[in-house]
Amino acid sequence: SQTIHQWPATLVQPVGSPLSLECTVEGTSNPNLYWYRQAAGRGLQLLFYSVGIGQISSEVPQNLSASRPQDRQFILSSKKLLLSDSGFYLCAWSGTGGNVGETQYFGPGTRLLVL
Amino acid sequence: AQKVTQAQTEISVVEKEDVTLDCVYETRDTTYYLFWYKQPPSGELVFLIRRNSFDEQNEISGRYSWNFQKSTSSFNFTITASQVVDSAVYFCALSEDYKLSFGAGTTVTVRA
Repeated sequence: SQTIHQWPATLVQPVGSPLSLECTVEGTSNPNLYWYRQAAGRGLQLLFYSVGIGQISSEVPQNLSASRPQDRQFILSSKKLLLSDSGFYLCAWSGTGGNVGETQYFGPGTRLLVL
Repeated sequence: AQKVTQAQTEISVVEKEDVTLDCVYETRDTTYYLFWYKQPPSGELVFLIRRNSFDEQNEISGRYSWNFQKSTSSFNFTITASQVVDSAVYFCALSEDYKLSFGAGTTVTVRA
């Protein structure tokens, strides 16, 4: 069966510091991968998605970037964090093939607090 | 552009009551998919159901049931005989291409 991992689970970082959040998927090959952010008390905003190694699509201009160095690894980064980067970051995967409407399965998330 | 509206921000019920969550969507596509996810206090989103635009049959899974009405662009979710463990935020989502557009979510609180 497929599993998705995210770490760290929680993170407190000062403004201006760098960020690296990691997401890995097991039990599947060539998944589509996604990063979402959920601000406190709000819905989910898609940040990035990837349909293959090195292929990243950005949905919202921002202070963040994403990379996919391996098939089942997705990394969210920032060179300098802003207060507004605080939130709950969720990674998700869906089946390969680029089919429309594939179910997305989510990881446990990372709670980021920027002070 | 597509849009998902969950008009109910919060719903509070007493255990064993039924609760219905509304979801209205907008899309220009003829082929699309609708989803419901549950987000318990732990934060992880749990997939509940996926429905394509050509399948308007209602579905029941245990205490959960879904009513899809294409004519009114609605995909409502009912929890029958609610339990405290049903307390969570519930999100409706619409898929287009690779992406999901989520509604703002409905917070359900079930009191013992």
